[in-house]
Amino acid sequence: KQEVTQIPAALSVPEGENLVLNCSFTDSAIYNLQWFRQDPGKGLTSLLLIQSSQREQTSGRLNASLDKSSGRSTLYIAASQPGDSATYLCAVPITGGGNKLTFGTGTQLKVEL
Amino acid sequence: GAVVSQHPSWVICKSGTSVKIECRSLDFQATTMFWYRQFPKQSLMLMATSNEGSKATYEQGVEKDKFLINHASLTLSTLTVTSAHPEDSSFYICSASDSRQGAAAAFFGQGTRLTVV
Repeated sequence: KQEVTQIPAALSVPEGENLVLNCSFTDSAIYNLQWFRQDPGKGLTSLLLIQSSQREQTSGRLNASLDKSSGRSTLYIAASQPGDSATYLCAVPITGGGNKLTFGTGTQLKVEL
Repeated sequence: GAVVSQHPSWVICKSGTSVKIECRSLDFQATTMFWYRQFPKQSLMLMATSNEGSKATYEQGVEKDKFLINHASLTLSTLTVTSAHPEDSSFYICSASDSRQGAAAAFFGQGTRLTVV
């Protein structure tokens, strides 16, 4: 059974700092990995999708990397802003389950002024 | 990206009543949609897969008679929580992917906060 873990569980940084969120998964037979953002009481916003054949994806100040062999992905946020404060979730498809996702435990990020 | 709309965004109901939640894909067709539940301070847990034109498939431990799913069209899936009890209070979120794409990104609705009193 796939297990997805995120470290750290919570993170508080000053504005402007670059930061890295970590995601690890136990079954490397994935065909993609997705990073989401969730604001309190809200749904999920898709940030980046990395296919298994890709090493990284970039969108603005966000960069996500994927290392299937080691079962890891990182989300790099450059020049963090207070508006980046949210919970960040990584998710991988359930093996043999199409687009059913197994979610990580999440990292709650707070960017302070 | 694709848009998934969920309605209502919040609902309060009395114990014993039923509540219906709608999930619509606005600009694409989805033969499959997924329903998740999220308890406070926890991550999302898959409840069931909604299949257009056929029965839903439920994850282990999820009562199919309590959580009725209907996927009557390529753009709409509904989740009905029957005979709701306070322990059903949770955040329910649906997701869908564009059927025309293979390993496509999953897009999520805004979620529905259900409170059973």
